[in-house]
Amino acid sequence: AQTVTQSQPEMSVQEAETVTLSCTYDTSENNYYLFWYKQPPSRQMILVIRQEAYKQQNATENRFSVNFQKAAKSFSLKISDSQLGDTAMYFCALRVARAAGNKLTFGGGTRVLVKP
Amino acid sequence: EADIYQTPRYLVIGTGKKITLECSQTMGHDKMYWYQQDPGMELHLIHYSYGVNSTEKGDLSSESTVSRIRTEHFPLTLESARPSHTSQYLCASSASGTANQPQHFGDGTRLSIL
Repeated sequence: AQTVTQSQPEMSVQEAETVTLSCTYDTSENNYYLFWYKQPPSRQMILVIRQEAYKQQNATENRFSVNFQKAAKSFSLKISDSQLGDTAMYFCALRVARAAGNKLTFGGGTRVLVKP
Repeated sequence: EADIYQTPRYLVIGTGKKITLECSQTMGHDKMYWYQQDPGMELHLIHYSYGVNSTEKGDLSSESTVSRIRTEHFPLTLESARPSHTSQYLCASSASGTANQPQHFGDGTRLSIL
């Protein structure tokens, strides 16, 4: 069984500053994928960034980047130059390659508030 | 923007009613999913489907049922709604292929049972 833990229920950051969200996971599989999803208030959940476990290079998407530490089973998300539109719930998720139906296991989420 | 649609967005209804939550996607995705999410909380998978005529129970037990008669359509039904069913229900889909395919989510249905 897989588990995903997000230890920060809420975080706030000033506009234009940087915030880092933590995520740890547990799996006995070697082949898996990690995702960060963003869920703005009353809006659709969207993919922010993904990382293949076999890739050592950390994924980057514009202002979003990850710090993937496979040995520590850690997958943190860094939001640089925070914008008001980044205010949302952020969910870390894990999918093992062998998971039936490509199922995702989600963490409990971190609420991010960007202050002007 | 992902082309996955859920209706209704909000539903307030009395106990004992039969409810069907609709989910449709126009991306031709084989895999579809239903999640239950209480406000501000994590998502729990309640049903998924590999494709037409395939339905599977998810990780969280649910009294709801699903059907998959057409690729694009994955409705969820509650035969007799109860207050404990009050929650948000999110539908998602993903393409077949490697496991790095992301899931695309609908806007969700907020269900309140009185």
